[in-house]
Amino acid sequence: GAGVSQSPSNKVTEKGKDVELRCDPISGHTALYWYRQSLGQGLEFLIYFQGNSAPDKSGLPSDRFSAERTGGSVSTLTIQRTQQEDSAVYLCASSLDPLANQPQHFGDGTRLSIL
Amino acid sequence: TQLLEQSPQFLSIQEGENLTVYCNSSSVFSSLQWYRQEPGEGPVLLVTVVTGGEVKKLKRLTFQFGDARKDSSLHITAAQTGDTGLYLCAGAFDGNNRKLIWGLGTSLAVNP
Repeated sequence: GAGVSQSPSNKVTEKGKDVELRCDPISGHTALYWYRQSLGQGLEFLIYFQGNSAPDKSGLPSDRFSAERTGGSVSTLTIQRTQQEDSAVYLCASSLDPLANQPQHFGDGTRLSIL
Repeated sequence: TQLLEQSPQFLSIQEGENLTVYCNSSSVFSSLQWYRQEPGEGPVLLVTVVTGGEVKKLKRLTFQFGDARKDSSLHITAAQTGDTGLYLCAGAFDGNNRKLIWGLGTSLAVNP
């Protein structure tokens, strides 16, 4: 079946612009995660959605970052007034119930480059 | 604070060699997952180990979870060029996969 789909796969933009990154999770997966991966930094947790519960935003690095998940499916990560340090690969993952040891399935990421 | 240490950070070997990479922590995990990530792609789950002392085999890959559930190893026998990639380990607490603790990974290059 279809896996996690992310778009765009690459995004180059100028410093100060806003960007929107999209994630289509696997159908039926109630949990959705956003991570940031930079060279030498590993996977940095950003935000987590689970069903209709309030999202866990504890990993968002600043108020320039926000995310929403509409209808319990597609999610959008928005970065406002981008800075060069925002350059990274942004990964989305989805899973069934994480409390039941269900693994995360990742998309191929969006490579974001801020000029 | 990095709770999961992976070693070595980089490894370059010839095809046919054996290798072991490690994932160590001072914390006790309820489970530990190993992922492989190829360039331009997301991490793909290889295995989950749950029980202390558990050994799981996936073709030429052997995964072991330490008796105390604080560490794990991945051994690859007769490495192939297709094994090239970034190997990541991630630990879970209390059976909750929501907040995984991620290692920085071991970047493996298998040369022909």
